[in-house]
Amino acid sequence: NAGVTQTPKFQVLKTGQSMTLQCAQDMNHEYMSWYRQDPGMGLRLIHYSVGAGITDQGEVPNGYNVSRSTTEDFPLRLLSAAPSQTSVYFCASRMTVRLGSPLHFGNGTRLTVT
Amino acid sequence: AQRVTQPEKLLSVFKGAPVELKCNYSYSGSPELFWYVQYSRQRLQLLLRHISRESIKGFTADLNKGETSFHLKKPFAQEEDSAMYYCALSIGSGYSTLTFGKGTMLLVSP
Repeated sequence: NAGVTQTPKFQVLKTGQSMTLQCAQDMNHEYMSWYRQDPGMGLRLIHYSVGAGITDQGEVPNGYNVSRSTTEDFPLRLLSAAPSQTSVYFCASRMTVRLGSPLHFGNGTRLTVT
Repeated sequence: AQRVTQPEKLLSVFKGAPVELKCNYSYSGSPELFWYVQYSRQRLQLLLRHISRESIKGFTADLNKGETSFHLKKPFAQEEDSAMYYCALSIGSGYSTLTFGKGTMLLVSP
């Protein structure tokens, strides 16, 4: 299993540009999520999904959209990039049925918005 | 809403010294608690979960519901333990989101 795969690893955008961060998992996990990691702020949940066709907002959803058309994929879209969205983005998935099932993380995408 | 507090941003110790990374949570029910570790520029990976009561890489953590704490401990720190450690809380299995603390950077000096 590849686990959770994120692309790209690095991205530089100009203010106002849009882009999509890709996330795919091959573990048949129902639950998928996006976090952003900022110094001194820890990890903050952006959006999450408990299954195909179902998404919900996390703690910091503004400026981001998600969709979940398949179990495997959970892309994160930045509609109009802003410097405040400079961060490291992690996608994570989780098996839903087991108590204590942990999140499995991707390698992260380092995004810089100038 | 549930909350996770890691009071120390940075913990610096010498090799061989005991380590305790503090984690307190606010939730009145029965939580699931986890410790995640992130080595330099790597992905986050699970270190411990309270339900397993396991010891990984010499680390242990005990859930204390009375004190609402889940402190991470290791009797003798190693240089390779230097990393960022995150405590995380889930208020229900499976479909519940995980709430993370802000993290503690552990630096182990030779």
